[in-house]
Amino acid sequence: DVVLTQTPVSLSVTLGDQASISCRSSQSLEYSDGYTYLEWYLQKPGQSPQLLIYGVSNRFSGVPDRFIGSGSGTDFTLKISRVEPEDLGVYYCFQATHDPLTFGSGTKLEIK
Amino acid sequence: QVQLKESGPGLVQPSRTLSLTCTVSGFSLTSYGVSWVRQPPGKGLEWIAAIWSGGSTDYNSALKSRLSISRDTSKSQVLLKMNSLQTEDTAMYFCARWDSYIYSFDYWGQGVMVTVSS
Repeated sequence: DVVLTQTPVSLSVTLGDQASISCRSSQSLEYSDGYTYLEWYLQKPGQSPQLLIYGVSNRFSGVPDRFIGSGSGTDFTLKISRVEPEDLGVYYCFQATHDPLTFGSGTKLEIK
Repeated sequence: QVQLKESGPGLVQPSRTLSLTCTVSGFSLTSYGVSWVRQPPGKGLEWIAAIWSGGSTDYNSALKSRLSISRDTSKSQVLLKMNSLQTEDTAMYFCARWDSYIYSFDYWGQGVMVTVSS
């Protein structure tokens, strides 16, 4: 199974600063069709997860442009510029390139 | 509007079988896939199983021998069965819609808590 390793485990950020989360895969996530099935989800406290980024770098409907996904192959990054109070929660990367599908271990974002 | 709602027993005894239902509205199960994802208390997300729009299925490799996912399109329901329950199966269970255009889970249910205990 593909293992997604997220770092850091937790992150404390001052409001208005940038946060960066890494997701490293044990195998390349580029599928034979050329698409990379790597997504980012945010789970706010007490809520269900919500989609932020799909296909490495595409923001889902309604997601602010402060959220930027990047990367290729086995290394991916989610950057959040100008962190706001509503950004707190746990961020998960997720891959659907290889069966079975797998989530990263999560990164908890806290506000200083 | 798109909605998913999980339902289940809440409390199940060890070694018994868990049956969960995800009732959807606002879309057709023949056009979108649905997955189950679980989250033990205080821990991360774990993908469990999927039934795709064409009816094919996929399972978490560690749980595969204990799982069965199916659907009833006439009732707009996706059913998950897990046998030989253990205390480690205590978790919040979510169902989520898979959008094959953006290849992501775009809508989630609120989740149902399942506790395995005697």
